[in-house]
Amino acid sequence: EAQVTQNPRYLITVTGKKLTVTCSQNMNHEYMSWYRQDPGLGLRQIYYSMNVEVTDKGDVPEGYKVSRKEKRNFPLILESPSPNQTSLYFCASSLGGRWGLYGYTFGSGTRLTVV
Amino acid sequence: KQEVTQIPAALSVPEGENLVLNCSFTDSAIYNLQWFRQDPGKGLTSLLLIQSSQREQTSGRLNASLDKSSGRSTLYIAASQPGDSATYLCAVKPMNYGGSQGNLIFGKGTKLSVKP
Repeated sequence: EAQVTQNPRYLITVTGKKLTVTCSQNMNHEYMSWYRQDPGLGLRQIYYSMNVEVTDKGDVPEGYKVSRKEKRNFPLILESPSPNQTSLYFCASSLGGRWGLYGYTFGSGTRLTVV
Repeated sequence: KQEVTQIPAALSVPEGENLVLNCSFTDSAIYNLQWFRQDPGKGLTSLLLIQSSQREQTSGRLNASLDKSSGRSTLYIAASQPGDSATYLCAVKPMNYGGSQGNLIFGKGTKLSVKP
């Protein structure tokens, strides 16, 4: 089944403890992206990747890192999480990001709580 | 800057009713528009994708239209069922969005409740 898989689904952590949220897609998509969803603010892009080893900032990149060493994986790294990063995170992928034509497939989400 | 608005924020209808959800966007320079469904605590499920050159797309009881020149899209749900209860999000893929390539700009959603 074609899908985007995120892990973990739920995570509670303490301020400052480094964590990684994994994202993997099995559709050979070039484009991958991370979003966060907050009440009243909607979904906002954190980082995106046009292809392997090509990543760039989205609208709200502060406090996050990403890497794209393989086409299928796009982990989101929080080096020193803070309570304002408590949110619902989504990974998404698309066959091609720059131009139109292709829709996006989203993962099931990761609910992160930083205390 | 592209902005996407969805009205109403919430909608409650009796089962069996036909309904229309609205989405408007400020900049008509888009590649496509996508409608998603989000169930509580769950991910986003893609419902329909409309390219900028298209006027509508249909899938089962769902029909989405796009009027790019006026910056509007509608999602029509026929014969609504309790299982349709969810939040519906529309998102546009703008042609011009600074340096962020491929970004989707989302509306805040319409929360639909279909009563048995």
